[in-house]
Formats: sequence, C-alpha cells, structure tokens
Amino acid sequence: SSELTQDPAVSVALGQTVRMSCRGDSLRTHFASWYQQKPGQAPSLVFYGENRRPSGVPDRFSGSRSGDTAVLTLSGAQAEDEADYYCFARGTVGNHLAFGGGTKLTVL
Amino acid sequence: QLLESGGGLVQRGGFLRLTCVASGFTFETDEMNWVRQAPGRGLEWISYIRGGGSHGWYADSVMGRFTISRDNARKSLYLDMNNLRPEDSGLYYCARDGGSYQLDLWGQGTLVTVSS
Repeated sequence: SSELTQDPAVSVALGQTVRMSCRGDSLRTHFASWYQQKPGQAPSLVFYGENRRPSGVPDRFSGSRSGDTAVLTLSGAQAEDEADYYCFARGTVGNHLAFGGGTKLTVL
Repeated sequence: QLLESGGGLVQRGGFLRLTCVASGFTFETDEMNWVRQAPGRGLEWISYIRGGGSHGWYADSVMGRFTISRDNARKSLYLDMNNLRPEDSGLYYCARDGGSYQLDLWGQGTLVTVSS
C-alpha cells in the first residue's frame, strides 16, 4: 500500500471547482508536489511547495495543506484538465520518496 | 531536456542498464530520480541521487537489486537493474528534482519488459 493515499477517481462539471486530496503522515512535515499526466504523455509538474506553480501552468491550479492532507484545487475546470493527477512527497520513514496512487479526473 | 535509453526485452533474472542524458541545464548540482510506470498503473518512485552522487535512495521494491549512479562530466544518470522480475516491467522515466522533491523536468521514458 502507498504511504500517500488519493481518491481513485473524481469528476467535475465543466467550469466548476474540484478538490483532489492526498493523505499521509509525512505531509504533516513535508509539502507535496502535484503532477498531471495525460494518456501517452510523461507527467508534468503543476503545483509544489507551500504555494508554487511552475511557469506556464494555469492559475486555476492551486494547492494547500492541513494536517496530514494536501489538496490540489482546480477552479473552473476545463476539458483539457481531464487527466490523472499524482501527489509526491518525502516518505514517512527513512530515505524514501513516494507517489500517491493517483486520481483520475473526469470533466463532464 | 532528458533522454532515456537502454530499455528492452530481458528474461527474468537478467540485467539492464538504463541511461538518461541531460541537456540544457547544469546537471552536476541537480538531484535526479528514476520513476517507473507499469502498463495501466500509477507512478512509482524508484530511486534518487544527489548532485554529488555518493549514495542513492531506493524504494523497497528494488533495494538490493537496482543501483543508481551518475557521471556529471557526461551529464548522464544511470540505473543498473539486476535480477529483474516480470513485475519490474514498465516505462522508466528519469526526472530532475528542482529542490524539495518537486520533479520539474521529465524525460519521455524507456520501456523495460521482463519475460517470465
């Protein structure tokens, strides 16, 4: 089982807001980074740190953390946002890193 | 950019060396990772190495079988994979760590298939 837990699938109506969560003990002391992966493509970073968005990523993507849970928020979902989303962070024990199991986002 | 190579078809118990060549950035001070993805499955972190390249970190699933290394003069990252198992099959990506475990640059991956 993964050290980081994500909901397997979520859906959102076009133009609405969706929150994708990532839970794990390590998130109490480490920030998560978030990745978008579309079919047949390599993952790409969409959010990281306390409040950092890579150049070129739309500002409709934002992130937050509370306790053991990190959240990626997508405000005003677009059709092109339909993808798999993964969180990534330092593991709980030792020199380990870990991905969450991924969330498949469907835009209706 | 990052360009992986070295994947292929190998029998159970076999060996492969994956290579990732970097271009367009310094590389020698950058932390690097290997990440894999089995067909139809999620991302799995495999290994990490600092810029100095002295020691690597490994996922439990590959500890003792895989070795990460780098040659900064050649701007290359390596993954030596011994005693391969069918469950090691997948697309292997190298990824640059931009600091604090955020993977800001990815290659397109190299495919490893381990037959039983």
